[in-house]
Amino acid sequence: AQSVTQLGSHVSVSEGALVLLRCNYSSSVPPYLFWYVQYPNQGLQLLLKYTSAATLVKGINGFEAEFKKSETSFHLTKPSAHMSDAAEYFCAVRKEWTGTASKLTFGTGTRLQVTL
Amino acid sequence: EAGVTQFPSHSVIEKGQTVTLRCDPISGHDNLYWYRRVMGKEIKFLLHFVKESKQDESGMPNNRFLAERTGGTYSTLKVQPAELEDSGVYFCASSADRGTDTQYFGPGTRLTVL
Repeated sequence: AQSVTQLGSHVSVSEGALVLLRCNYSSSVPPYLFWYVQYPNQGLQLLLKYTSAATLVKGINGFEAEFKKSETSFHLTKPSAHMSDAAEYFCAVRKEWTGTASKLTFGTGTRLQVTL
Repeated sequence: EAGVTQFPSHSVIEKGQTVTLRCDPISGHDNLYWYRRVMGKEIKFLLHFVKESKQDESGMPNNRFLAERTGGTYSTLKVQPAELEDSGVYFCASSADRGTDTQYFGPGTRLTVL
């Protein structure tokens, strides 16, 4: 079974500061890992995904995440926060594809606040 | 290309009533998923359709929930009778039938059971 732990339900950073949102996973098989973002009154939007290719994954809006198998982590970072980054961020894991698409297992989410 | 759409965006009903949620996936996407987020908790998987067939319904909470996808296009999720603990946001997602394909999510339906 897969599971995801997101440390910190709320994170606050100043505009221009580094954004670091933490995600640790547990999986008995090689995982696929995802970060989704939900802006107010919108659906979940994919930021980036790891599917066993490069361990450093670049996504949209300047975000990136690094898959570290030894630490079972997939933390999300952005060098410089912008006010528009304020949203809720979800880490998710899925089993490696074996022929059929399969369900995502999500963490509890981290709400990012960006202050002036 | 239109994204995943869900209707209604909000629904407020009383305990014991019936509610039907609808999801229209991206055109051509064979895979359709339902998820639910109860307040403060994680987003949890409910079920997965491949075309009109239920591939995985392991996340359905109980038999008060009935999901259908007639014709392999849109899907409905009916809750009958609704209970207080059914309150939450119900998300629908769809993906094309390829290995690493992304699941595209709709905006969700916020259900409140009073």
